[in-house]
Amino acid sequence: DTAVSQTPKYLVTQMGNDKSIKCEQNLGHDTMYWYKQDSKKFLKIMFSYNNKELIINETVPNRFSPKSPDKAHLNLHINSLELGDSAVYFCASSQDVRGGQPQHFGDGTRLSIL
Amino acid sequence: DAKTTQPTSMDCAEGRAANLPCNHSTISGNEYVYWYRQIHSQGPQYIIHGLKNNETNEMASLIITEDRKSSTLILPHATLRDTAVYYCIVRASLNTGTASKLTFGTGTRLQVTL
Repeated sequence: DTAVSQTPKYLVTQMGNDKSIKCEQNLGHDTMYWYKQDSKKFLKIMFSYNNKELIINETVPNRFSPKSPDKAHLNLHINSLELGDSAVYFCASSQDVRGGQPQHFGDGTRLSIL
Repeated sequence: DAKTTQPTSMDCAEGRAANLPCNHSTISGNEYVYWYRQIHSQGPQYIIHGLKNNETNEMASLIITEDRKSSTLILPHATLRDTAVYYCIVRASLNTGTASKLTFGTGTRLQVTL
């Protein structure tokens, strides 16, 4: 069973559209994250939720809205997509927020804006 | 989080040990050293982490110097499948939400050759 799964794996859409990426973890973890990896391969944190509560929001445009319906899911909705949103988005989870708990990543969603 | 410095790239012959260095001279006493790797087109994979003592698991060993200002990740018998970008990350151990994020640098591109 995949521990952290993201859907879709690939997403190609036009500028201005609204799209969502879903993430589910079956590890029983309390904390989930979204990271963005741009074309230069830099990987940066976007959001983090702990027990469905937002704890990290790294100055991401408000077109990006995470939603956590329960501890096992953290979805990412993006409004009015722009060319610069093209990237690979990774979901991750950890047991809790403590620094000694490793994060486990999904395989990413490759978003391409035409 | 403390900044880390890693070589841009390294080569290793298959079957030999791969020793990947990392400098973190500004690390503080409550910060962990984490190692992740990213194989092409996959999500980051957790390898190992440590606070003060050397650590070993089924994937690798982590050697942390006594002053904690540098560390070395050792893959004892590198294979072609170990070709990846390896990230050394320093992460606070504090039990706060903002401390839970991982700050990725540019990493070391390890190429394992026949």
